Amino acid sequence: DTGVSQDPRHKITKRGQNVTFRCDPISEHNRLYWYRQTLGQGPEFLTYFQNEAQLEKSRLLSDRFSAERPKGSFSTLEIQRTEQGDSAMYLCASSTRDRDGTEAFFGQGTRLTVV
Amino acid sequence: AQKVTQAQTEISVVEKEDVTLDCVYETRDTTYYLFWYKQPPSGELVFLIRRNSFDEQNEISGRYSWNFQKSTSSFNFTITASQVVDSAVYFCALSEMEAAGNKLTFGGGTRVLVKP
Repeated sequence: DTGVSQDPRHKITKRGQNVTFRCDPISEHNRLYWYRQTLGQGPEFLTYFQNEAQLEKSRLLSDRFSAERPKGSFSTLEIQRTEQGDSAMYLCASSTRDRDGTEAFFGQGTRLTVV
Repeated sequence: AQKVTQAQTEISVVEKEDVTLDCVYETRDTTYYLFWYKQPPSGELVFLIRRNSFDEQNEISGRYSWNFQKSTSSFNFTITASQVVDSAVYFCALSEMEAAGNKLTFGGGTRVLVKP
């Protein structure tokens, strides 16, 4: 499978717990993005990496959120002290910088439910 | 700031009818890209089409066609002869050029239900 892979697909956690999601991009893609999608809404940009460098973070990304992309390969998104408002679908996407305006390819997402 | 508006929240059609989805965008950039993505019930966003701001030529790709009008900041999308498998949520999206990392700003989506 050469698409974007996300793990886990579903996560249920208690409020206050920490959670970590993983994204494996398409191997030749040097850009990786995280988006959040709440029910009935379009995805909202959270952050993006070019190789291992995190180049932009949205104001939506509070200090409880941290993302990493060690060695410019897979990425992790951690949410500390989860709140019910964090319940959403977390989408990862990757693209290549080689072609201007190239489309981003999305994974199937991780659905987080905070109870 | 960028903004994408999809005024239609839900459209219901009978199979074989055409479906046109509206999209209006706002951006201060003179160069940008516009996209349509499809999100079936499985949740994965599937890329459908891309158009850059330099090219207002409208095209047809299979059963998909689009109408890009820069003067009205609209990027409408049509599915011809709809099929039940077209049932999904469709998102219009906008991205700035290279400097902004091509991050996407999405509209709120239009749910399309195609009935047999």
